[in-house]
Amino acid sequence: GQNIDQPTEMTATEGAIVQINCTYQTSGFNGLFWYQQHAGEAPTFLSYNVLDGLEEKGRFSSFLSRSKGYSYLLLKELQMKDSASYLCAAMEGLTGGGNKLTFGTGTQLKVEL
Amino acid sequence: DVKVTQSSRYLVKRTGEKVFLECVQDMDHENMFWYRQDPGLGLRLIYFSYDVKMKEKGDIPEGYSVSREKKERFSLILESASTNQTSMYLCASSQGYNQPQHFGDGTRLSIL
Repeated sequence: GQNIDQPTEMTATEGAIVQINCTYQTSGFNGLFWYQQHAGEAPTFLSYNVLDGLEEKGRFSSFLSRSKGYSYLLLKELQMKDSASYLCAAMEGLTGGGNKLTFGTGTQLKVEL
Repeated sequence: DVKVTQSSRYLVKRTGEKVFLECVQDMDHENMFWYRQDPGLGLRLIYFSYDVKMKEKGDIPEGYSVSREKKERFSLILESASTNQTSMYLCASSQGYNQPQHFGDGTRLSIL
């Protein structure tokens, strides 16, 4: 099984940088996903890391350390529209083949003026 | 763009009813998933399927069953609805297991 931990809430200022951390404990770890979910909407894919290191995609970057069971999502030049819940999800390989995702409870980010 | 369509945004049913939630995807994806999302508990996997007529239990399958008769359609069935099944239900699909899952808009189900 898997255990995913991420902060419940964070607040940041428009234009600033914020880092959302996620730690995981897992068997058969096969990669880590980050999703964004606005209130009342479906989660949308942000990033996927399977190797150690930083993946940059525009204003968003995601980092993974497999040895530490740790990931973070970095949001730069924050905008009001970035106010949302950010979901960390670890992929677990199954003994019978295939994979499944286990999601954290999400970090609610509030961007203020 | 991938389109995952859930049949209803809001649904109200009574305790003991048999409830069907339908999900259709238009991208010929192999894998489909059903989750429920509750405050403080996040997204939890109920069932998933990696091929037609195939199904696998997720983390919380009790009280639910699924059906995948066609590749594009994955149905979640509440055999006898109970109040603790009041929740937001989200369907997702993906081409491969290391590919992003694409979510539908969700069905907010209330069991009275």
